[in-house]
Amino acid sequence: DVKVTQSSRYLVKRTGEKVFLECVQDMDHENMFWYRQDPGLGLRLIYFSYDVKMKEKGDIPEGYSVSREKKERFSLILESASTNQTSMYLCASRTGTVNTEAFFGQGTRLTVV
Amino acid sequence: AQSVTQLDSQVPVFEEAPVELRCNYSSSVSVYLFWYVQYPNQGLQLLLKYLSGSTLVKGINGFEAEFNKSQTSFHLRKPSVHISDTAEYFCAVSEGQAGTALIFGKGTTLSVSS
Repeated sequence: DVKVTQSSRYLVKRTGEKVFLECVQDMDHENMFWYRQDPGLGLRLIYFSYDVKMKEKGDIPEGYSVSREKKERFSLILESASTNQTSMYLCASRTGTVNTEAFFGQGTRLTVV
Repeated sequence: AQSVTQLDSQVPVFEEAPVELRCNYSSSVSVYLFWYVQYPNQGLQLLLKYLSGSTLVKGINGFEAEFNKSQTSFHLRKPSVHISDTAEYFCAVSEGQAGTALIFGKGTTLSVSS
C-alpha cells in the first residue's frame, strides 16, 4: 500500500515562529501536494511539486514556502506563523500520470497561539 | 482554470434511504474526476474515479457516480445508506495535462441517522 506520512498529527506553535511540516511518501511518486483544510472551505491547494526541486504555487501560497530536495520528501514552511494559519494541513502524492488519484497523509492539525 | 462546485454543504438522511451528492465541474479541457471520503479525524480515502469509458463508475462501500459531460456533472449516489456512511465527501477534478494538481470542492457532510 502507498503510504504518505506526515511527521506530526498535532502541533502548537507561537505567533512569529518558523514552522516546518514534513511529509514523506514511499511509492516513488513524482507529484506531491500540500493542501489546507478549513470548515466550509474544503481543501485549498497551497503548493505542489511535480519533480525534485520543482514547485508551483497553488491557490493560497501567501505566507508559505516549500522545499523538495529529495523525491520522497516535501516540506511546507510557514516563515512566520500567524493565527490565521491555524488549520488542518494535508499532504498528498501521486504518480506523474494525470489520470491517477492522489494518496493522502493523516493530516497535521496546527494551532498557532 | 478548472473548478469544482459541490452544491450541498450538508445532506441529512435516514438510514436505508437513497442519497445523491451533487458535483459540477468547470474545465476547458478533458478531465479526470474523483470522489473522496473523509471519516472523522482521518485523512482522505478514494471512493471512486472516472478516467474514461463507461460513464457509470462503481466504487467502494456501494457508492457509484455518473459522469455527464454535457451537464459537466459527476454526482455520487448510493441506493441505501448506513450510519457508517456518515462522513465528509469531496469531489475533485484533474485536468488532462501533465504538471497539474487535483482541485477539490468545498465538501458535503453526509449525516445518516436512524
